[in-house]
Amino acid sequence: LAKTTQPISMDSYEGQEVNITCSHNNIATNDYITWYQQFPSQGPRFIIQGYKTKVTNEVASLFIPADRKSSTLSLPRVSLSDTAVYYCLVGVWAAGNKLTFGGGTRVLVKP
Amino acid sequence: EPEVTQTPSHQVTQMGQEVILRCVPISNHLYFYWYRQILGQKVEFLVSFYNNEISEKSEIFDDQFSVERPDGSNFTLKIRSTKLEDSAMYFCASSAGTGGETQYFGPGTRLLVL
Repeated sequence: LAKTTQPISMDSYEGQEVNITCSHNNIATNDYITWYQQFPSQGPRFIIQGYKTKVTNEVASLFIPADRKSSTLSLPRVSLSDTAVYYCLVGVWAAGNKLTFGGGTRVLVKP
Repeated sequence: EPEVTQTPSHQVTQMGQEVILRCVPISNHLYFYWYRQILGQKVEFLVSFYNNEISEKSEIFDDQFSVERPDGSNFTLKIRSTKLEDSAMYFCASSAGTGGETQYFGPGTRLLVL
């Protein structure tokens, strides 16, 4: 199971772009990179997933370099409501597979 | 948008009592999961369930825990004899299956064991 390392916390201001980098040096060939978001007292919520290169959806972008040993979640123009914990998960993306959460990155968006 | 729902939102119980946490997964989803999160700690996997049987369980999921899908809509987690250390937020999740692996989480049940 690929271990992930991400910053414990990050502060930002409204309207700024937030980039969270996750290291996963021993990622396996079949592993995907998935990011979840968790607001206080709520369940985690899927944000984005990728295997390589760049993925973008209406919420975020995910940048994955060619060696796949790290990935960066980019949140454009954050608002106060983006204050949450963001988790980087690495593993085989298959039906029924458990998700293994690390400590996540606590992002605080200030006015 | 379909959601996973959980009841109750909060439960307080005495040590040694049995509790049943209830979940209604997203309709047509085939895989069901329970996770827990002790206050200030990581989200931890407990168990996955498919085709009316446990697919995988963690070391946390010992004989005190059981899961059941009693009908076509509910998915329950039973803790037979609660301990103080079972106090946590319990999250149910579901996923559609092959081609739909994203797990959708419910809002959680906060369990407090006194």
